[in-house]
Amino acid sequence: SQQGEEDPQALSIQEGENATMNCSYKTSINNLQWYRQNSGRGLVHLILIRSNEREKHSGRLRVTLDTSKKSSSLLITASRAADTASYFCATDGMGYNKLIFGAGTRLAVHP
Amino acid sequence: EPEVTQTPSHQVTQMGQEVILRCVPISNHLYFYWYRQILGQKVEFLVSFYNNEISEKSEIFDDQFSVERPDGSNFTLKIRSTKLEDSAMYFCASGGRAGGSYGEQFFGPGTRLTVL
Repeated sequence: SQQGEEDPQALSIQEGENATMNCSYKTSINNLQWYRQNSGRGLVHLILIRSNEREKHSGRLRVTLDTSKKSSSLLITASRAADTASYFCATDGMGYNKLIFGAGTRLAVHP
Repeated sequence: EPEVTQTPSHQVTQMGQEVILRCVPISNHLYFYWYRQILGQKVEFLVSFYNNEISEKSEIFDDQFSVERPDGSNFTLKIRSTKLEDSAMYFCASGGRAGGSYGEQFFGPGTRLTVL
């Protein structure tokens, strides 16, 4: 299985702090994607990092990928209350295959 | 910015009834997907669709499920005889726009299906 698993399962921080979430997976991948889900809502695509990339930035988001350790991390800098959500990593194989999602990290950012 | 849309947002049905969940993928996307998320659980892949045919399906996607792209814009998921365990949030996704990043999938807001 290419299953991604995130840790921690839950993270509680204060506004302005950085939040780091980790994801591990089991098999080779072409790319890894991170999504955000507000409670009971849809999945918002945050960032895609390819297997030949090591780091990618998008606004306050920084994603790293270590294919030798089969792991990725998502860093949200200067967090805001609006960042409160669940964050999922999803891996795929070749092309437009199915995405395999992890269980997610529930992030709570307190004002 | 283009987005995937889904209707209805919430569907309540009786066990054994047929339901059709509708999706309008992002224009020019070539790959279409259905996923589901049972409350409190992971997002699970159901089926992928490309070039007017199923390209891959999971073990969840049994004979009770079918997908169709009846015209150039809609993509539907039909459950013929719903069961209690079909209650979940169903997400449509699309990907593969010309020139887009390889592999990105964009999700709709979901349809919450409740089977009574």
